[in-house]
Amino acid sequence: NAGVTQTPKFQVLKTGQSMTLQCAQDMNHNSMYWYRQDPGMGLRLIYYSASEGTTDKGEVPNGYNVSRLNKREFSLRLESAAPSQTSVYFCASSEGGTGELFFGEGSRLTVL
Amino acid sequence: GESVGLHLPTLSVQEGDNSIINCAYSNSASDYFIWYKQESGKGPQFIIDIRSNMDKRQGQRVTVLLNKTVKHLSLQIAATQPGDSAVYFCAEFYSGTYKYIFGTGTRLKVLA
Repeated sequence: NAGVTQTPKFQVLKTGQSMTLQCAQDMNHNSMYWYRQDPGMGLRLIYYSASEGTTDKGEVPNGYNVSRLNKREFSLRLESAAPSQTSVYFCASSEGGTGELFFGEGSRLTVL
Repeated sequence: GESVGLHLPTLSVQEGDNSIINCAYSNSASDYFIWYKQESGKGPQFIIDIRSNMDKRQGQRVTVLLNKTVKHLSLQIAATQPGDSAVYFCAEFYSGTYKYIFGTGTRLKVLA
């Protein structure tokens, strides 16, 4: 089992460029999440999808959009990247209603 | 490697000693509390969770204690080993929103 797969693993953007981070899980999980991790800030929730067909804002949604494409895939889009969005982005999934959240390996984004 | 955790609080322990990592949570209605371990360059990995109706749960070399009165969670690691060196995060899950919210994390350094 691959678990949670994120692409790309690394990306460098210029200010104002757009990009989409892709995430797919093969565990048939209902819920999927996007977090960002900055040094000293821990993990902050950007957006999540409790079930297929729904998306909700997390703690830091500004500057991002998401799409729950199907049960397996949940993408995160930056429409106009800013240096403040330089971070490591993690996708995660869970069965829903249980404790364990499964994470991908992360996508390191640098915005110049 | 990963630059996460540069400014996190650090706990240094001698190899073989017990470690106690503490966390305060915010939502008294949270259903689950979870501990994650994150090694450099990797995504967080599940260690142990505890339901809100429990006070204590034990795993292999780890124990989680929950004090709902003061909204406090702790992770105890017995006989700490060099491989335990990592950043540790607590998280709370609330079934009303399906959100997982993370604490800021603690870096554990094991001294030989």
